Amino acid sequence: DTAVSQTPKYLVTQMGNDKSIKCEQNLGHDTMYWYKQDSKKFLKIMFSYNNKELIINETVPNRFSPKSPDKAHLNLHINSLELGDSAVYFCASSHRGGGAGSGNTIYFGEGSWLTVV
Amino acid sequence: AQTVTQSQPEMSVQEAETVTLSCTYDTSESNYYLFWYKQPPSRQMILVIRQEAYKQQNATENRFSVNFQKAAKSFSLKISDSQLGDTAMYFCAFMKHGSGGATNKLIFGTGTLLAVQP
Repeated sequence: DTAVSQTPKYLVTQMGNDKSIKCEQNLGHDTMYWYKQDSKKFLKIMFSYNNKELIINETVPNRFSPKSPDKAHLNLHINSLELGDSAVYFCASSHRGGGAGSGNTIYFGEGSWLTVV
Repeated sequence: AQTVTQSQPEMSVQEAETVTLSCTYDTSESNYYLFWYKQPPSRQMILVIRQEAYKQQNATENRFSVNFQKAAKSFSLKISDSQLGDTAMYFCAFMKHGSGGATNKLIFGTGTLLAVQP
């Protein structure tokens, strides 16, 4: 059983299209994230949700709209795709922590490789 | 703002030998967490090891150990008895200790590409 699973794993699409990436976690976590890894392999957070509530939005264009129907799912919808959106998008999850223990450890999915042509 | 620096873009090690990957960070926080993640060619992000800043003892996980120097803001990863499967990109990451996990945010370094040679 994959702890954090994303679909699709690979996606090739044309500029201007709209696409979605789905993410599900079965770890019982209440916080989920989207990270973006660019062509230089630099990783940066895009969004985080806690119990379906948006907590972090890191200056991401509003063409990107996350949606969390429940705390086990966080989907990413991208409108009007641009060449610069080509990247690997990672979904991740964690417990809401703040103290000792593994509560602050973030677990990642396998990534979704988006190529915009 | 916090920053994480990995000054070694690429490293190479012979199988069965030991290698150390460097990481430094900058923060004004006193309470935080540090992580090493491994990204093999499959692109999956795999947690290698984690360190809480309030703990003086260095974390270890089998062949992986860290040298955490809080005053120097240094967090290096030592891989002993290197194996071919250790070939991967290694990312150092920082997380501020927040009031709740909802504010958790990993700040990543630029990564070190490690090649284990047979």
